Amino acid sequence: QSALTQPASVSASPGQSIAISCIGTSSDLGSYDLVSWYQQYPGKAPKLMIYEASKRPSGVSARFSGSKSGNTASLTITGLQAEDEADYYCCSYSHGNIWVFGGGTKLTVL
Amino acid sequence: EMQLVESGGGSVQPGGSLRLACVASGFSFNWQTMSWVRQAPGGGLEWVAKMKEDGSDVSYVDSVKGRFTISRDNARNSLFLQMNNLKVEDTAMYYCVKGGGGCCFDYWGRGTLVTVSS
Repeated sequence: QSALTQPASVSASPGQSIAISCIGTSSDLGSYDLVSWYQQYPGKAPKLMIYEASKRPSGVSARFSGSKSGNTASLTITGLQAEDEADYYCCSYSHGNIWVFGGGTKLTVL
Repeated sequence: EMQLVESGGGSVQPGGSLRLACVASGFSFNWQTMSWVRQAPGGGLEWVAKMKEDGSDVSYVDSVKGRFTISRDNARNSLFLQMNNLKVEDTAMYYCVKGGGGCCFDYWGRGTLVTVSS
């Protein structure tokens, strides 16, 4: 039950685009398209941003998009805004009927 | 408006027990798989357990198997987590979460803090 691998931090200036990677294995990302992404502000509960690899819940900005290829998923944010500064977590369903999260990525908007 | 309100957290010594509760409103609780997800102080998210709407399809992360038990009372729109033989490493904010049966975790409560310390 190993965690998915994410970069610890990413940073970019307002208006730029970033991509956060999430690397798994053949037991999770490589077997299922049930990957989701969550945004979390300090002291707050996480919020669902992307589900089933590339679908966006109602109310989430179109600047957020997701993709998956093989054992790797990515969250892309375009037109960065100050309010995007937060922690981001990926999550995948895995063999054994369990869910695994990534270690989280801290996004800094310079 | 959808709401998940957790309670039952607190401070306990290693080896002790706690029972967390979560009351849901604003959606059809008895149609939803529910989960518990925790977050250690300064740490990342860790899925803990899930249960389908009819009480079936129960699953746990390896680190809590044999110590934690998830349950629910659909008549009271409530989800529970019985935590026994608590360890220092169980210290975390525990979130009640709608989902875990497929898709994703689409709504989170505000959490209840569990501290295990001697």
